[in-house]
Amino acid sequence: AQSVTQLDSQVPVFEEAPVELRCNYSSSVSVYLFWYVQYPNQGLQLLLKYLSGSTLVKGINGFEAEFNKSQTSFHLRKPSVHISDTAEYFCAVSGGAGNNRKLIWGLGTSLAVNP
Amino acid sequence: NAGVMQNPRHLVRRRGQEARLRCSPMKGHSHVYWYRQLPEEGLKFMVYLQKENIIDESGMPKERFSAEFPKEGPSILRIQQVVRGDSAAYFCASSPATGQGRYEQYFGPGTRLTVT
Repeated sequence: AQSVTQLDSQVPVFEEAPVELRCNYSSSVSVYLFWYVQYPNQGLQLLLKYLSGSTLVKGINGFEAEFNKSQTSFHLRKPSVHISDTAEYFCAVSGGAGNNRKLIWGLGTSLAVNP
Repeated sequence: NAGVMQNPRHLVRRRGQEARLRCSPMKGHSHVYWYRQLPEEGLKFMVYLQKENIIDESGMPKERFSAEFPKEGPSILRIQQVVRGDSAAYFCASSPATGQGRYEQYFGPGTRLTVT
């Protein structure tokens, strides 16, 4: 079975500071990894994904994440955050292939960017 | 290209009534997924469908819940005899059947169900 742990439920940070949102996963099979962002009362928007290849993936809005297989982690980073980055961030994993496409989610990290 | 569409955006039902949630996938997408977001519990997978076929319903409650994705028209998530515990945001996502994009799921804005 697959599972996802987001280590921080809330992360407060000042504008223009760097931020890291942590995500660990467990799986007995190869996985595909995703980060989504959810703004209040809206749906989920894909920030970035890891399917294979380079372990450093870049996404939208200046975010990037690094896949670390030995530590089973997929932490999300941004070197300088903006007020507009305030949102809920979700890490998710799927088996990806065939019928195993369902996303298993972490509980989310609430990022609050303060001026 | 329109994104995933869900309606209604907000739905209020009394206990015991039926709720029907609709999802139209992105153009060219033939796979649909339903998720439920409950306070304090996060997002949970419910069901994965292709046209006229349920692929994975391992997250669906055994009773009162059903889903379909007919050959024509939107996917429907149906909840019979709703209870207060069904109050949640229900999200639909879609993906294409083939190609690199098949690993990505694109989400709609959700339907927020309130049971009174």
